[in-house]
Amino acid sequence: QQQVKQSPQSLIVQKGGISIINCAYENTAFDYFPWYQQFPGKGPALLIAIRPDVSEKKEGRFTISFNKSAKQFSLHIMDSQPGDSATYFCAASSGSARQLTFGSGTQLTVLP
Amino acid sequence: DAGVIQSPRHEVTEMGQEVTLRCKPISGHDYLFWYRQTMMRGLELLIYFNNNVPIDDSGMPEDRFSAKMPNASFSTLKIQPSEPRDSAVYFCASSAAGPKHFGDGTRLSIL
Repeated sequence: QQQVKQSPQSLIVQKGGISIINCAYENTAFDYFPWYQQFPGKGPALLIAIRPDVSEKKEGRFTISFNKSAKQFSLHIMDSQPGDSATYFCAASSGSARQLTFGSGTQLTVLP
Repeated sequence: DAGVIQSPRHEVTEMGQEVTLRCKPISGHDYLFWYRQTMMRGLELLIYFNNNVPIDDSGMPEDRFSAKMPNASFSTLKIQPSEPRDSAVYFCASSAAGPKHFGDGTRLSIL
């Protein structure tokens, strides 16, 4: 019940295209859903996060869509750029400590 | 703000040796987390501290693993004795009321 399932495992997109990564969860106690971006040799860095009281959050080219009834959320990267090439992790948490349960990651490659 | 600082960045040692990983959290952060990242298991939470006190160590894989936080600016993760299956990237992260900030990790290789 603690799992967060992420797909696809890898994604290749042309420059300017839309990248879409999906996640699903089971634990209805989760109340915070962040996305992290990780470059090789670096730690994960928070990209954008959403709480279940809204269905969408947009920050620049990055948008989270959240479907509470389906227990799914997704990351959309508009106008994808080669610099967006990285591994993306969805995560979920509950409680004050925000203990994160991570998805398995998606390796995104944006071709120039 | 220097961010979360981990040392060493790389560690290569032989099976059976003691390994100590170090972490300096961001000043003012009262939560500290240790994660392990492998290809097979992804990012796993090992243990976390609040105000220097261990709160949940249920992710620590075995008694060979131990973690301490003697003060607000320093934490260690120790593996004794180390085994090849401990090879992974170990991340430390800290947070206050906001999001977690991760260090750049220690890549550990046990031969």
